[in-house]
Amino acid sequence: DGGITQSPKYLFRKEGQNVTLSCEQNLNHDAMYWYRQDPGQGLRLIYYSQIVNDFQKGDIAEGYSVSREKKESFPLTVTSAQKNPTAFYLCASSIQGGTGELFFGEGSRLTVL
Amino acid sequence: KNQVEQSPQSLIILEGKNCTLQCNYTVSPFSNLRWYKQDTGRGPVSLTIMTFSENTKSNGRYTATLDADTKQSSLHITASQLSDSASYICVVSDLSSGGGADGLTFGKGTHLIIQP
Repeated sequence: DGGITQSPKYLFRKEGQNVTLSCEQNLNHDAMYWYRQDPGQGLRLIYYSQIVNDFQKGDIAEGYSVSREKKESFPLTVTSAQKNPTAFYLCASSIQGGTGELFFGEGSRLTVL
Repeated sequence: KNQVEQSPQSLIILEGKNCTLQCNYTVSPFSNLRWYKQDTGRGPVSLTIMTFSENTKSNGRYTATLDADTKQSSLHITASQLSDSASYICVVSDLSSGGGADGLTFGKGTHLIIQP
């Protein structure tokens, strides 16, 4: 079945460590996105990519990095520069243009110990 | 600044009852409005997408309305079921982004609990 796969589902990290969250889609969508969700807040855009080898910063890009080497993959690295990385991270994709309906993965919960 | 406000913040109703969730927005220029359902610990799933010209859209027991003049939307759930327990998120897209997903403003969601 077509969809978006995020891994791992749960991740624990010590302070000062970088971690990479995986996001793979087989929907043949051009655009991919990373959002962060904190309790009591709306989703906030970290990075997005509309085409391979190109990506743009969202509202809260500081302390994060991404790559888009393949259409299907958009990994997110949470670096040690991110001061408060504990959160639920959601990857999404959409067809370019039109209504831009978002299809979300199941999320990755990162906890910093 | 574009904003999306949802009310109530949380709601508890008995199984079988109806409920209505509200969404007010200040996004301009408006492109479309979406409602998502998010089960605890999972990714959001789209319920409806409404453009400027649509004022009602249904998806099973879910009916969304849109009043573009007053910049208000509602999501009505009929004959609630235990599986409706979730957060419901209102999302508005602005036209400056071409209506695409990179110009979205998310509400904080309404947390709905259905009790047996």
